[in-house]
Amino acid sequence: GQQVMQIPQYQHVQEGEDFTTYCNSSTTLSNIQWYKQRPGGHPVFLIQLVKSGEVKKQKRLTFQFGEAKKNSSLHITATQTTDVGTYFCAGRGNTDKLIFGTGTRLQVFP
Amino acid sequence: EAQVTQNPRYLITVTGKKLTVTCSQNMNHEYMSWYRQDPGLGLRQIYYSMNVEVTDKGDVPEGYKVSRKEKRNFPLILESPSPNQTSLYFCASSFRGQSSTDTQYFGPGTRLTVL
Repeated sequence: GQQVMQIPQYQHVQEGEDFTTYCNSSTTLSNIQWYKQRPGGHPVFLIQLVKSGEVKKQKRLTFQFGEAKKNSSLHITATQTTDVGTYFCAGRGNTDKLIFGTGTRLQVFP
Repeated sequence: EAQVTQNPRYLITVTGKKLTVTCSQNMNHEYMSWYRQDPGLGLRQIYYSMNVEVTDKGDVPEGYKVSRKEKRNFPLILESPSPNQTSLYFCASSFRGQSSTDTQYFGPGTRLTVL
């Protein structure tokens, strides 16, 4: 069945450093969503990408959808302590089902 | 305020004692679902519902039941809980669900411990 993997599982960075998490699907995706979950909180929608090669930015966050629509990435420039949390990708494949990735937990040290 | 609510937020119970976790949304969403979150496994879908009286299994439905008698409510039922159902549970809703590009709105979560 369809699988969505994320790497790395954990990432510790110094405040001000950049951070990237990668999402890879075993099948072609119709779209991909990104969510952020703060410690002790619930997942909150960040963005959705639909088109092949699409790039979207939200302030210091840059989201990309691969040309083959099988992978995606989230890049944070100059991390801040407020970026701490777990970032999930979620993709819709040929079954039209939304499959969540395993998540990347980001820790930012001041 | 648009929101998804879950109750209880925390629950400790014993093996075999039936329990229900309630979920309610006030956004008139057709689609609702339940997920469990476990370390290293991300969010796994338990059951989902496309509309009233329409429910279907997700990836990990064993040991769970659901019902959708009203549009706003989607309770999760554990008839005979076992320790491997100890987890963090999230309810989520969206307008059109799986065949659309609508986002999922998550409830605050229910942390369940089965002894």
